Amino acid sequence: DGGITQSPKYLFRKEGQNVTLSCEQNLNHDAMYWYRQDPGQGLRLIYYSQIVNDFQKGDIAEGYSVSREKKESFPLTVTSAQKNPTAFYLCASSTGTGRWPQHFGDGTRLSIL
Amino acid sequence: GQNIDQPTEMTATEGAIVQINCTYQTSGFNGLFWYQQHAGEAPTFLSYNVLDGLEEKGRFSSFLSRSKGYSYLLLKELQMKDSASYLCAVRDSGGYQKVTFGTGTKLQVIP
Repeated sequence: DGGITQSPKYLFRKEGQNVTLSCEQNLNHDAMYWYRQDPGQGLRLIYYSQIVNDFQKGDIAEGYSVSREKKESFPLTVTSAQKNPTAFYLCASSTGTGRWPQHFGDGTRLSIL
Repeated sequence: GQNIDQPTEMTATEGAIVQINCTYQTSGFNGLFWYQQHAGEAPTFLSYNVLDGLEEKGRFSSFLSRSKGYSYLLLKELQMKDSASYLCAVRDSGGYQKVTFGTGTKLQVIP
């Protein structure tokens, strides 16, 4: 079955550490997105990518980095520069055009130890 | 940039009808999506509007007025399982297809 896989489901980070969240899709979608969701809040866009080797900053990119070396993969690194990283992180993909919606992974919950 | 507004919370009775509004201001528009999100889960797609008018899908309908920057999601015959957050999202018309979400409306369905 096609879908989006995020791993791990839960992640703990020590102060000063960088951590990388994985996102893999086998839907052959061109566009991929990373969102952050805080308790009781909507989704805020961190980074998005339309094609391989190209990505754009979203509304809250500071303290995060991404890469898009393969169409299927869009990992997100939460750097030590992100001062409040505790949140629910959602990865999504879409064909990028028209009426086709985004498909979401099950998310990764990141917490600071 | 884009600015999307939704009410924070709503309460409705089982079996009733509820309308969730969404207003947006955007520099470019290429469609509006509604998603449902149960607590702790990923959002799931409900509906899409790009032209003015009403789109109906079973108990769910969504309306769009581009000139007013306004949409609503209409849920009929409410069921307890409809208790969830409902997210409005706007796709940008630029080449990068940026999608921006509103803060979501938490709907509580009561008996």
